[in-house]
Amino acid sequence: DAEITQSPRHKITETGRQVTLACHQTWNHNNMFWYRQDLGHGLRLIHYSYGVQDTNKGEVSDGYSVSRSNTEDLPLTLESAASSQTSVYFCASSEGTIAKNIQYFGAGTRLSVL
Amino acid sequence: GQNIDQPTEMTATEGAIVQINCTYQTSGFNGLFWYQQHAGEAPTFLSYNVLDGLEEKGRFSSFLSRSKGYSYLLLKELQMKDSASYLCAGSNGNTGKLIFGQGTTLQVKP
Repeated sequence: DAEITQSPRHKITETGRQVTLACHQTWNHNNMFWYRQDLGHGLRLIHYSYGVQDTNKGEVSDGYSVSRSNTEDLPLTLESAASSQTSVYFCASSEGTIAKNIQYFGAGTRLSVL
Repeated sequence: GQNIDQPTEMTATEGAIVQINCTYQTSGFNGLFWYQQHAGEAPTFLSYNVLDGLEEKGRFSSFLSRSKGYSYLLLKELQMKDSASYLCAGSNGNTGKLIFGQGTTLQVKP
């Protein structure tokens, strides 16, 4: 079955370190998204991509970067991790059609920055 | 502007009916999504409304009024497993992005 997987599921790192979170989908979806979820804020969009070589900033993109070298993967990099980036990170993908553009979510990565 | 508002918490009794409201203001509005999220898990798709009216899917129904910027999710015959957060999200048809509300945490009690 097609799916979307995130790795690692849990990560502890130190401030200042570079961290990369992986996201891989096998639906052949054009659109991919990265969100963070914090208490009191709901899901907030970090970066998104509409296809290979396309990346766009979301509402909370500072300190994060993404790259899209193929359809299946959209890794999220924290250039220099900060304690404020402790959060649960979700990756999602959608088909790319405008109508009923359902996003399907990965299981999430819980990141702690100490 | 873009804004989604929904209550933070609700409590209901097993077997009862509960209605979770959502008001939205989304640029390029192209539909309203509801997701369910159990604690520690990923959000999962429940329903999508783009036209005014009620969409029924088993015990769950979702309603949309575009003129009022209002939606609700109706859960019937509540079960303990329905205890979860319910996320309302407005879709921007120009960008394909979803704008999420903070979520409503529903607790179902025996």
